[in-house]
Amino acid sequence: EAGVAQSPRYKIIEKRQSVAFWCNPISGHATLYWYQQILGQGPKLLIQFQNNGVVDDSQLPKDRFSAERLKGVDSTLKIQPAKLEDSAVYLCASSPIGTGETQYFGPGTRLLVL
Amino acid sequence: GENVEQHPSTLSVQEGDSAVIKCTYSDSASNYFPWYKQELGKRPQLIIDIRSNVGEKKDQRIAVTLNKTAKHFSLHITETQPEDSAVYFCAAPAGGSARQLTFGSGTQLTVLP
Repeated sequence: EAGVAQSPRYKIIEKRQSVAFWCNPISGHATLYWYQQILGQGPKLLIQFQNNGVVDDSQLPKDRFSAERLKGVDSTLKIQPAKLEDSAVYLCASSPIGTGETQYFGPGTRLLVL
Repeated sequence: GENVEQHPSTLSVQEGDSAVIKCTYSDSASNYFPWYKQELGKRPQLIIDIRSNVGEKKDQRIAVTLNKTAKHFSLHITETQPEDSAVYFCAAPAGGSARQLTFGSGTQLTVLP
């Protein structure tokens, strides 16, 4: 089975610029997550979708971050404007409904804000 | 919300020795505890998980133990090999939902040949 796909793999921007990340979950997985992983730390959940609805976005900095999952499949995460402290790896994960809680991660997008 | 603490932050062992990583959690309602392995520059991958209705689970050289009373769970790797070198993360459900995980800060395991 194909895994979670993410693009781009790397992105370098200057502070105050905008950036968008894309995620395509495993086919049939209803739940999709975006995590932020700062160097040397564990992943931190930003937002969770079930189908095209938001389940939890309590840790998403909504003044600058936004995410959507139109049609309940692909998802995009946007940062506008970016700050230096947004430099991190952004991981997308997905999990199926009804077969347990296992989350499958994508390769991540490594963001560097200068 | 859930608070997960992981120790040690770094661990070096000789090839063939055992490695143990321990995590504690705060929410007594938590019932699902996965362990992920992340090699440098790669995605986290689930290596084993345990649910609260069992105290131990084993998969070849990897085992996880759970002590619900003390609210801690541990990863045990026996007969370590150089390819076991990676960062290991524990996780526990956040807010009572097994689908929302809080991750520990990670343990860098180095297996010395």
